[in-house]
Amino acid sequence: EAGVAQSPRYKIIEKRQSVAFWCNPISGHATLYWYQQILGQGPKLLIQFQNNGVVDDSQLPKDRFSAERLKGVDSTLKIQPAKLEDSAVYLCASSLAVNQPQHFGDGTRLSIL
Amino acid sequence: SQQGEEDPQALSIQEGENATMNCSYKTSINNLQWYRQNSGRGLVHLILIRSNEREKHSGRLRVTLDTSKKSSSLLITASRAADTASYFCALNDRGSTLGRLYFGRGTQLTVWP
Repeated sequence: EAGVAQSPRYKIIEKRQSVAFWCNPISGHATLYWYQQILGQGPKLLIQFQNNGVVDDSQLPKDRFSAERLKGVDSTLKIQPAKLEDSAVYLCASSLAVNQPQHFGDGTRLSIL
Repeated sequence: SQQGEEDPQALSIQEGENATMNCSYKTSINNLQWYRQNSGRGLVHLILIRSNEREKHSGRLRVTLDTSKKSSSLLITASRAADTASYFCALNDRGSTLGRLYFGRGTQLTVWP
């Protein structure tokens, strides 16, 4: 089966600019996750979707981050405006259901200048 | 804190040796999962062990769980250079019905040929 697809792989922007990341999960996976991984740390959950509804966005900085999952399939994560501390790898993952193993994409490495 | 703490932070061994990584935690869990991350890539699920299980095997991997000590270990037997990666334990908190995972900082394993 095809894995989780993410694009772009790398993005460099200046602070206060906006950026968007795209994720295509494994076909049939109802649950989709966006994580932020800062260098030297483990992934931290930003938002979790069940089909096209948000079930957990408690750690999402909602003043600058937004996410949507269209038709319960693809998802986009947006940052506007970006801050220096947003420099990280943004990982998308999907699973058949909650409490099932998660499958990760290779992430987008974001650098803020 | 709901995340696990891996020990050691870094481990360097020769091919053919065994590698043991530990994870300690403070919360009550539904399950504990181990993931591997190669440099520049996403995470790959290795093993899920439920709170009522004590040991699981998968190929060269052996995971143990001691809920009384709130600790888990991952053993990789007969290590290969291709096992070089970061290894993360991830906790599924008993208080969560959404399958949310809390990742530790990981153990960086280097296997020398």
